[in-house]
Amino acid sequence: EVQLVESGGGLVQPGRSLKLSCAASGFTFSDYNMAWVRQAPKKGLEWVATIIYDGSRTYYRDSVKGRFTISRDNAKSTLYLQMDSLRSEDTATYYCATEEQGFDYWGQGVMVTVSS
Amino acid sequence: DIQMTQSPASLSASLEEIVTITCQPSQDIGNYLSWYQQKPGKSPQLLIHSATSLADGVPSRFSGSRSGTQYSLKINRLQVEDTGIYYCLQGYSAPWTFGGGTKLELK
Repeated sequence: EVQLVESGGGLVQPGRSLKLSCAASGFTFSDYNMAWVRQAPKKGLEWVATIIYDGSRTYYRDSVKGRFTISRDNAKSTLYLQMDSLRSEDTATYYCATEEQGFDYWGQGVMVTVSS
Repeated sequence: DIQMTQSPASLSASLEEIVTITCQPSQDIGNYLSWYQQKPGKSPQLLIHSATSLADGVPSRFSGSRSGTQYSLKINRLQVEDTGIYYCLQGYSAPWTFGGGTKLELK
C-alpha cells in the first residue's frame, strides 16, 4: 500500500524558514516524480513544485521560485521542501504527491501557518 | 500560465441523478487533464487521468470525456459518498494549474 506521510509543519514568523519532509513507502520511490501541492484555508489546490525521479530537474511556481527548494533522498525514500523567506500567503496545508498520471497518490497533508 | 475555467462552482443534485462538471482550458492541453475528488478534511483523490482513463479503484460510475477543447467529468447515478469538491488539473505546461473547484452536494 502506498503511503506518504508529511511532517515538519507548524507556526512560523514571516521571513523565517521551515523544512517539510514526506516519508514514502509501499512503492519504489526512486522510480517516481514527486510534487508538493498546497491548499490555503478554505481555498482551492495550487501546485508548488515538482522534482524528477532522479533529482536531476526541478520545477517551481513563480511565487515560490528562489524561496522554496524541493529535494529528495532516494536512499531514504523521502521528499523535502525547504521553505525560506516565508510570507503570510504561504499559509496552507502542504501535500506531497506522486506525479505520474497526474497526482496519483497524496499524503494526509501538513499545516504551515506564517504569522507574527 | 494556462487558466482552467471550471463550472459550475457549486451543484446540488439528487441521488441516482447524472452529474456533469466541465473544465475549459485557456489553451490546448492535449489530453493532459486529470480530475480529483476531495472530501472535507481529507486529501484529494485521483479519479480520472489522461482526460478519459479511470484511476485504479475508482467506481465505474465516474467517467471523463473531451469534446473539442472542453473536458467533462460525469457521475452516473450519484451516490451519497460522491459529495465533496471536484477539481480538474492540466499537466500539459508548467505551472500545472487546477480549476477553481466544484462543490457537489446532495439535494
